[in-house]
Amino acid sequence: KAGVTQTPRYLIKTRGQQVTLSCSPISGHRSVSWYQQTPGQGLQFLFEYFSETQRNKGNFPGRFSGRQFSNSRSEMNVSTLELGDSALYLCASSSKLGLAGGISYNEQFFGPGTRLTVL
Amino acid sequence: SQELEQSPQSLIVQEGKNLTINCTSSKTLYGLYWYKQKYGEGLIFLMMLQKGGEEKSHEKITAKLDEKKQQSSLHITASQPSHAGIYLCGAAINTGTASKLTFGTGTRLQVTL
Repeated sequence: KAGVTQTPRYLIKTRGQQVTLSCSPISGHRSVSWYQQTPGQGLQFLFEYFSETQRNKGNFPGRFSGRQFSNSRSEMNVSTLELGDSALYLCASSSKLGLAGGISYNEQFFGPGTRLTVL
Repeated sequence: SQELEQSPQSLIVQEGKNLTINCTSSKTLYGLYWYKQKYGEGLIFLMMLQKGGEEKSHEKITAKLDEKKQQSSLHITASQPSHAGIYLCGAAINTGTASKLTFGTGTRLQVTL
């Protein structure tokens, strides 16, 4: 079974631009979660999508948005890029919803990440 | 403040030595994951613990979730260079109104020959 794939692997943008990152989950997985990883803040949860609906959201500004398609592939968009948005963006897929409004939790499989550099 | 504290932040051990990494939460943990990450790459799932007192092992790595479900430890026996990397604990923490997924800051492990 192919793993989680993310494209592109590396990206360089300038402040004010916008960027779209893509994540293809493991076949059959319906949950896709996005994370931002920086040296200062560590790994932080952005949002989770399940069956094309955003189910959970972390504490990030509205510039960060996402969507999920009917084939479970997901995209993440960051508008009006800031220098602080430079990070490794990771997506993870799971066969079930990670946080079903409670304490359900399932193994997540991570992609290799997209390294975004904002100049 | 970080909700999941990992210690130590970094560790250098000689090949063949044992080591332990700790992950502590101020709130009850509902499921605790351990992942390993090579620098700049994705996370590799190691194991998941859900029940207080649960202990799991895979090859030379053993993880345990304490009875009160607020701390987990990851123990590596007879470390090898292949164990080098960043170890992250992740957990779903109940904030009272919802659950929040959070990760520790990571422990960077170096194994010297």
